Amino acid sequence: KAGVTQTPRYLIKTRGQQVTLSCSPISGHRSVSWYQQTPGQGLQFLFEYFSETQRNKGNFPGRFSGRQFSNSRSEMNVSTLELGDSALYLCASSQGLARYNEQFFGPGTRLTVL
Amino acid sequence: GENVEQHPSTLSVQEGDSAVIKCTYSDSASNYFPWYKQELGKRPQLIIDIRSNVGEKKDQRIAVTLNKTAKHFSLHITETQPEDSAVYFCAASRLNTGTASKLTFGTGTRLQVTL
Repeated sequence: KAGVTQTPRYLIKTRGQQVTLSCSPISGHRSVSWYQQTPGQGLQFLFEYFSETQRNKGNFPGRFSGRQFSNSRSEMNVSTLELGDSALYLCASSQGLARYNEQFFGPGTRLTVL
Repeated sequence: GENVEQHPSTLSVQEGDSAVIKCTYSDSASNYFPWYKQELGKRPQLIIDIRSNVGEKKDQRIAVTLNKTAKHFSLHITETQPEDSAVYFCAASRLNTGTASKLTFGTGTRLQVTL
């Protein structure tokens, strides 16, 4: 099976712009979770989508949003970018079963905000 | 919400020695504890996980122990090798609930195995 893929891998934006990141999960996986990884804050949960619905949400401002399509691919959007949004954004896919939750990570999108 | 603390932040061991990384969690309802290894420039990869109905789990040179009463769990790596050098993250979540996919991570431990 192909692993989790993310595009683009690198992105440079300026403050105030918006950005959209994409994640394609492992075939058959219905859950996609997004995480922000920074040196100072570590790995922080943004949100999870399951069957096109946001099922869980972390403590991030409303500028961070996402969606999931019928083929389970997910996009994450950040509006009005701030310098502090510079980070590695990782998505992880899983079957989404409550009784078993092994998550597989993608390679990440490194976002730099200038 | 859940809070996971991880120690130490850096760990240097000689090849062949053992390494131990410890994590504590705050939510007594957490019942799933995975460990991820992240090599430089690469994605986190699951190396071992444990559920709260088990006290210890081993996979070759890697083992994880869980103390539910004290709310802490540890990763043990024996006979360390240079390829074990990486950042290790512990995490916690609640299986069998709607938040099963929400992993709360520790801050990571940078393990360096020296020759």
